[in-house]
Amino acid sequence: DIQMTQSPASLSASLEEIVTITCQASQDIGNWLAWYQQKPGKSPQLLIYGATSLADGVPSRFSGSRSGTQYSLKISRLQVEDIGIYYCQQASSAPTFGGGTKLELK
Amino acid sequence: EVQLVESGGGLVQPGRSLKLSCAASGFTFSNYYMAWVRQAPKKGLEWVATISTSGSRTYYPDSVKGRFTISRDNAKSSLYLQMNSLKSEDTATYYCARPRSTGPVNWFAYWGQGTLVTVSS
Repeated sequence: DIQMTQSPASLSASLEEIVTITCQASQDIGNWLAWYQQKPGKSPQLLIYGATSLADGVPSRFSGSRSGTQYSLKISRLQVEDIGIYYCQQASSAPTFGGGTKLELK
Repeated sequence: EVQLVESGGGLVQPGRSLKLSCAASGFTFSNYYMAWVRQAPKKGLEWVATISTSGSRTYYPDSVKGRFTISRDNAKSSLYLQMNSLKSEDTATYYCARPRSTGPVNWFAYWGQGTLVTVSS
């Protein structure tokens, strides 16, 4: 199975701050990487797919990038509504998710 | 509007069985692979099963292989998950999920609200 190591596990940031979350794949997955946001008590929402493509309706302050087997999700200017837990997921083979990053307001 | 509505969760004893259902609407169900993803309380996401458009191909992680069976009824736009020999570690909220596009792509753009399965004596 492909392992996805996500960091940090938790993150505290201020409004308007730039936030970056990373995910390391245990082997080459190409661009088969997605990012999700999950708010408390809600279902996950797809943010990014194909490592860099923005899902429908997702604000442009969210972006994804790739460097080899390391993937990053960037929030350019943190807003209150961005608080939640973020997960990466590889779709190269049997899907596996990262452990999640809990994003809180400082 | 795409809608996925799960049902069938509840409290079940270890070793027993339970069948979950997902009613889909707002899209041509038969054109899409479908999947189940679960989330244990206060834990992360775990993929549970995927089924092809016709139902002829199914995929599972080792954690549920041989115990869970995914199926679908395209005429009823419904997805199912038959869970046998349930264990306490199967306790989770189970989500029905649809990929963003047709074809065997495993990122999920649409999720149901989830149904809670609790395995306990």
